[in-house]
Amino acid sequence: SQQGEEDPQALSIQEGENATMNCSYKTSINNLQWYRQNSGRGLVHLILIRSNEREKHSGRLRVTLDTSKKSSSLLITASRAADTASYFCATDEGQGAQKLVFGQGTRLTINP
Amino acid sequence: GAGVSQTPSNKVTEKGKYVELRCDPISGHTALYWYRQSLGQGPEFLIYFQGTGAADDSGLPNDRFFAVRPEGSVSTLKIQRTERGDSAVYLCASSNLGGVLDTQYFGPGTRLTVL
Repeated sequence: SQQGEEDPQALSIQEGENATMNCSYKTSINNLQWYRQNSGRGLVHLILIRSNEREKHSGRLRVTLDTSKKSSSLLITASRAADTASYFCATDEGQGAQKLVFGQGTRLTINP
Repeated sequence: GAGVSQTPSNKVTEKGKYVELRCDPISGHTALYWYRQSLGQGPEFLIYFQGTGAADDSGLPNDRFFAVRPEGSVSTLKIQRTERGDSAVYLCASSNLGGVLDTQYFGPGTRLTVL
């Protein structure tokens, strides 16, 4: 079963615009991570945010976490064609569980 | 250093056959994970190793699936009597110590097609 749900399922924007993707989850967590996947193969780790953090930045990425609403958002600023990919949020399930539980992903297309 | 590698990159087999998928984790990583990803879905957890032992195999769908990591490094996922529903991309990941705050680094995956 999958814990997270991403919204929207697909997003298409013009190069240079900002892209925002949302993720909701169900159980308490220790951390939430965002991954990028190109062409349905290996996942690239983007950023990890701990449950006691509310916001984190990495380059053009900004992640927020609201544990009261069990939701997170990923903002990509000044998008580039190379950002075209699927983006997944993944959580642990708390209680020391090691496995990641992924959402279904957001398919982002950046139009030149 | 080298990342996680998986072989083969693609595997086509016939229904009922046995397959083995191999994962080479990042050197020194004690934790290793297997996930399965169907088309249009996010990865789903199969099994987690801490060293040589399977610490959590709750994601294995049935007893046709088995995984080993005999020396605490390379792991092999074994699927017996394959079924068409087993077709998916099988992803392997490793992390340094396996803690909940450790980043999991993924390999490129093996695309399994069962005809």
